[in-house]
Amino acid sequence: DGGITQSPKYLFRKEGQNVTLSCEQNLNHDAMYWYRQDPGQGLRLIYYSQIVNDFQKGDIAEGYSVSREKKESFPLTVTSAQKNPTAFYLCASNRDPSANYGYTFGSGTRLTVV
Amino acid sequence: GDSVTQMEGPVTLSEEACLTINCTYTATGYPSLFWYVQYPGEGLQLLLKATKADDKGSNKGFEATYRKETTSFHLEKGSVQVSDSAVYFCALSDNTGGFKTIFGAGTRLFVKA
Repeated sequence: DGGITQSPKYLFRKEGQNVTLSCEQNLNHDAMYWYRQDPGQGLRLIYYSQIVNDFQKGDIAEGYSVSREKKESFPLTVTSAQKNPTAFYLCASNRDPSANYGYTFGSGTRLTVV
Repeated sequence: GDSVTQMEGPVTLSEEACLTINCTYTATGYPSLFWYVQYPGEGLQLLLKATKADDKGSNKGFEATYRKETTSFHLEKGSVQVSDSAVYFCALSDNTGGFKTIFGAGTRLFVKA
């Protein structure tokens, strides 16, 4: 079955360390997104990509970086510049944003600073 | 800018009770509207959607009608089950360019047996 795979499910980061969250999809979707979810809040957009080799900053991009070298993959790096990275991170894809199909989400990565 | 406001939770119901979760929005243009559901420890799943005024989205016994005059998209179900316990997110998609989706804060539903 097609879907989005996020790994790892749980990730622990030490102060000053960069970590990379993986997101892979086999849906052949062009658009991919990274969201951050904090308790009691809605989802906030970090980065999005509508096509390979192109991506745009979302509302809270500071302290994060992404790449989109392949259609299937959209990894997110949480850098040491992100001062409060503890959160649940969700990757999503969309077959065609202009056609309003809605998102397919991965199962998320829970990142904790130790 | 565009925004989505949902009723605060948690909402606690007994099994077979009726459910309504209110959602209102502000948007320029004509957004598409969505409800997503999130079960504990998982990502979100698309529950239903409506792309224009007066459209009704439905799935798994849940319904919501796109009301342009009241800028609302309330989620309803006639008889909830314990398995419906989850967090529900209302969302809108900007159709005027950028194609970004804005999510409400979510409403947690507990259903007791």
